Amino acid sequence: AQTVTQSQPEMSVQEAETVTLSCTYDTSESDYYLFWYKQPPSRQMILVIRQEAYKQQNATENRFSVNFQKAAKSFSLKISDSQLGDAAMYFCAYRSLNQAGTALIFGKGTTLSVSS
Amino acid sequence: KAGVTQTPRYLIKTRGQQVTLSCSPISGHRSVSWYQQTPGQGLQFLFEYFSETQRNKGNFPGRFSGRQFSNSRSEMNVSTLELGDSALYLCASVKRGESDTQYFGPGTRLTVL
Repeated sequence: AQTVTQSQPEMSVQEAETVTLSCTYDTSESDYYLFWYKQPPSRQMILVIRQEAYKQQNATENRFSVNFQKAAKSFSLKISDSQLGDAAMYFCAYRSLNQAGTALIFGKGTTLSVSS
Repeated sequence: KAGVTQTPRYLIKTRGQQVTLSCSPISGHRSVSWYQQTPGQGLQFLFEYFSETQRNKGNFPGRFSGRQFSNSRSEMNVSTLELGDSALYLCASVKRGESDTQYFGPGTRLTVL
């Protein structure tokens, strides 16, 4: 069974600085998708970024980018120019392509605080 | 385009009761998934429905059930509630293509007393 590990329960960053959140996963599959979701205090889960495993190019969405290291099974999220609104819990998620459906396996999350 | 909606947003029940939660997906999305979020276990997949058929199921007891209607709206039911069922229940609708990305609703907060 696949597992997702986020080793940093909490992280902090100052406004305008850069922070990197770590995620590792365990799988024997070669094709899968990876996601980062953000959950602010409102509890609404918001998609931040996604990565297809077959794509070597790291995904980027504005200030958010990933460092996808397939061989190392690592999928870190870099937030540049951090803003107060980035404060939230961030979840890394894995989706197997060898299953019926689109179920996600989530890590335990990293709580990011942003200070001014 | 309206997002995923879930009703009710908050529920308080007592042990032994049953509860039904509702989820309306984004227009055009035909697949709905349910997740349970607790501080101890984190986010766990419950089940997924597509075209009124259960496509996948997580490791939860039979007290947890769901269904999907022809308009893609979905309900989940929990019978004989236990204290440990207190959680945030999240519904997600899936956009086919784009990695089958899941878009989440605001959740229903269930408290079992």
